[in-house]
Formats: sequence, C-alpha cells, structure tokens
Amino acid sequence: DQQVKQNSPSLSVQEGRISILNCDYTNSMFDYFLWYKKYPAEGPTFLISISSIKDKNEDGRFTVFLNKSAKHLSLHIVPSQPGDSAVYFCAARSNSGGYQKVTFGTGTKLQVIP
Amino acid sequence: NAGVTQTPKFQVLKTGQSMTLQCAQDMNHNSMYWYRQDPGMGLRLIYYSASEGTTDKGEVPNGYNVSRLNKREFSLRLESAAPSQTSVYFCASKLSNENIQYFGAGTRLSVL
Repeated sequence: DQQVKQNSPSLSVQEGRISILNCDYTNSMFDYFLWYKKYPAEGPTFLISISSIKDKNEDGRFTVFLNKSAKHLSLHIVPSQPGDSAVYFCAARSNSGGYQKVTFGTGTKLQVIP
Repeated sequence: NAGVTQTPKFQVLKTGQSMTLQCAQDMNHNSMYWYRQDPGMGLRLIYYSASEGTTDKGEVPNGYNVSRLNKREFSLRLESAAPSQTSVYFCASKLSNENIQYFGAGTRLSVL
C-alpha cells in the first residue's frame, strides 16, 4: 500500500523553463511534507517543506504547493537549471503512537536539458 | 564537517554470509534511521532508534538487526544475507524535535 505516490518516474525540462514535480498521498493523518533531492552516489538532502496548515511555501527558485482536499502536493522549480538534474523524493510525516513516521515516495528523476 | 558517515560504500556478499553496515553522525542527533532504496520502491524504513538505548522496527525489518552503540553510532547487521537484500542502504539522523533528516552517502550492497 503506497501511501505516498509519485506517478511520474521521470521528467525532462529545458533549462530556464518551469519544472513541476507532483506527489499524491492517501493518508489524511499526514501533517507535514518534505521534498528531498538526491544526486547519484550521494544521500538525499533536504530541499523544502510545508506544514499541512499552509498551502504554499517558497524558498528562492523552489515553491511547494499543498492541496489538502485533493491530497496532492507539487514542487515548482523556476527557472530550472542543469544543476537541478537529480531524483526528487516527496515525503510525508504522521504521528503514530508517539512516534513521528516519515513515508517516502518512489521518486521522480528530473533532467534539465541545457 | 562530516555529518553522517557510512562504511563501507560498496560490498559484495555471497548468500548466507553476514556483515555489519556502520553509521556514525557527528551532529549530536538523538534519532537515527536505516533505510533501503530499491528501484520503484522509494526509501523504506528498516529500523530506527528514537534515542540512545532504544531501537524499533520499521516497515521492512525482517533479516536485519541493529545496535545503537552510543549516541553517535547506529549499525545494521545482516546475519545471513539473501539476494533479496541486494539494495542501497542509507543511514539518516535528526534531532528529535526537528523534521529534517540528514542522510549518509549510502552503502551499495550486492548479495550473490
């Protein structure tokens, strides 16, 4: 049962254009969402996050949007740069029995073409 | 500034062999985690340690054991490796009251 889904395994975008990465979730108990970025042969690194009480969070070229009614969040990268080429993981947090559990999506590989 | 350090980076095992993956963090984090990453499966939690002296099972604990040796170190042991354990293993850590996890560079394990 995949509670966090990233339905696009890959995405190609021209340099300078907008990249939109999508993430859907099924568990209404998720209260905090994060995006991680992963380069080959490295571990994931935190990129941006959003609380369930907000619908938008912006950090430079990166913006995350949350639509709670649709159980959908998206990451926008504007403008896209070749250095943004990486795998992006969506992650969602829930509290269960006093433990904060984080569930990761399957990842979307972004390629930014110069 | 080392962060989270994992050793080894690569390992090839034969079925039935045992090994221990090492993880150490220098950020004074309370919580530590072991994940495995498989194609099309994302990151799945194997075991975690919410604080020094405690360990708990995650989503896919079968075939693994862990030891929280001290606040810095959290090891993952495969007692009898199986081909299904071929994967990339990531260790992560964080402060208890924070949301962001910090990951090591991973250990790529192949079990033949």
